[in-house]
Amino acid sequence: GENVEQHPSTLSVQEGDSAVIKCTYSDSASNYFPWYKQELGKGPQLIIDIRSNVGEKKDQRIAVTLNKTAKHFSLHITETQPEDSAVYFCAALAGTDSWGKLQFGAGTQVVVTP
Amino acid sequence: AAGVIQSPRHLIKEKRETATLKCYPIPRHDTVYWYQQGPGQDPQFLISFYEKMQSDKGSIPDRFSAQQFSDYHSELNMSSLELGDSALYFCASSSDRSSYNEQFFGPGTRLTVL
Repeated sequence: GENVEQHPSTLSVQEGDSAVIKCTYSDSASNYFPWYKQELGKGPQLIIDIRSNVGEKKDQRIAVTLNKTAKHFSLHITETQPEDSAVYFCAALAGTDSWGKLQFGAGTQVVVTP
Repeated sequence: AAGVIQSPRHLIKEKRETATLKCYPIPRHDTVYWYQQGPGQDPQFLISFYEKMQSDKGSIPDRFSAQQFSDYHSELNMSSLELGDSALYFCASSSDRSSYNEQFFGPGTRLTVL
């Protein structure tokens, strides 16, 4: 089955700096890679996603890149703000025989200090 | 915009009791997924339904069962509860089985087994 690894597990950045989180996946059949932000006591919130036919996608301060050959994808947050502090999860949609089943990374605790 | 609704938000049970968690997907979403998230862990896929039929199964114990009803809401039934079942239970919904549709998560039900 699909296995997703995520690094780092914690990330502290100064307000205004950039944050980068990296994930690798194992199943070459995976074709959809969402990123979720989870605040304490809340459900994961989809913030951006990328599909396998696209190499990069950007939405304001957030961007995601995908390298299918190397089987890794990354989340980039620019001009970080204190409200960006949360746990971020990458995920991969498991191969074609698992409809809609998301395999999550272990999560990255991001702390943005003013 | 309407989001996924889960009830109850908090539930406290004794060992060996039963619990029923409910999920109401976003209107016009016909696919429902259940995930379990332990403390400090990533969400783990349990089971999913598409058009009232089970579409995929993950690491769901035999003590748990679930179904999707004609109005697309879903219920997760948990019997013979164990201390290890204490976790956040999330429901997510998407608009169809296609692997290219985003999953939107509800706020979760926090289950505590004493």
